[in-house]
Amino acid sequence: KAGVTQTPRYLIKTRGQQVTLSCSPISGHRSVSWYQQTPGQGLQFLFEYFSETQRNKGNFPGRFSGRQFSNSRSEMNVSTLELGDSALYLCASSLAELAGTDTQYFGPGTRLTVL
Amino acid sequence: AQSVTQPDIHITVSEGASLELRCNYSYGATPYLFWYVQSPGQGLQLLLKYFSGDTLVQGIKGFEAEFKRSQSSFNLRKPSVHWSDAAEYFCAVDLNNAGNMLTFGGGTRLMVKP
Repeated sequence: KAGVTQTPRYLIKTRGQQVTLSCSPISGHRSVSWYQQTPGQGLQFLFEYFSETQRNKGNFPGRFSGRQFSNSRSEMNVSTLELGDSALYLCASSLAELAGTDTQYFGPGTRLTVL
Repeated sequence: AQSVTQPDIHITVSEGASLELRCNYSYGATPYLFWYVQSPGQGLQLLLKYFSGDTLVQGIKGFEAEFKRSQSSFNLRKPSVHWSDAAEYFCAVDLNNAGNMLTFGGGTRLMVKP
């Protein structure tokens, strides 16, 4: 089975722009979560989507949003980019079959640099 | 608030030596616990997980971890380290015990001396 794929792998944007990142989960996985990784804050949970609905949300401003499509693929959008948004954005997918026993598998990440 | 602490930011061990990476959590109930490893420029790879049952869990690449409720700890161990184990290791707790909303520790960077 192919793993979690994320596109693009690298991205450079300027302040004020917006960006969309894409994540394709492992085949059959229905839950997709997003995390931000920075040297200062470490790994932080952004949000989780299941059946095209946001099911859990971390403590990030409304500039960070996402969506999930019927094929479980997910996109994450950041509007009005700030320098502090420079980070590695990781997507993780899980089966979400049985409550309480799920395990997340991570993609390689998208490295976003904001200039 | 729930939190995960990895007290050691950096650890250096000699190849062939044993390894123990520490992880402590602050959480009201018995959480779901995970260890992930991240090589430079890569995503996270799951090493092992604990949901319930036997408190000593075996993972991939020869790693094991022991859940100790009394100490709120979930330390990762390996009896003999290989140079390829050099990476960053993250302990994580599942906030809602569903496996899809993780709180991570700050990570421990492991260096292996030849």
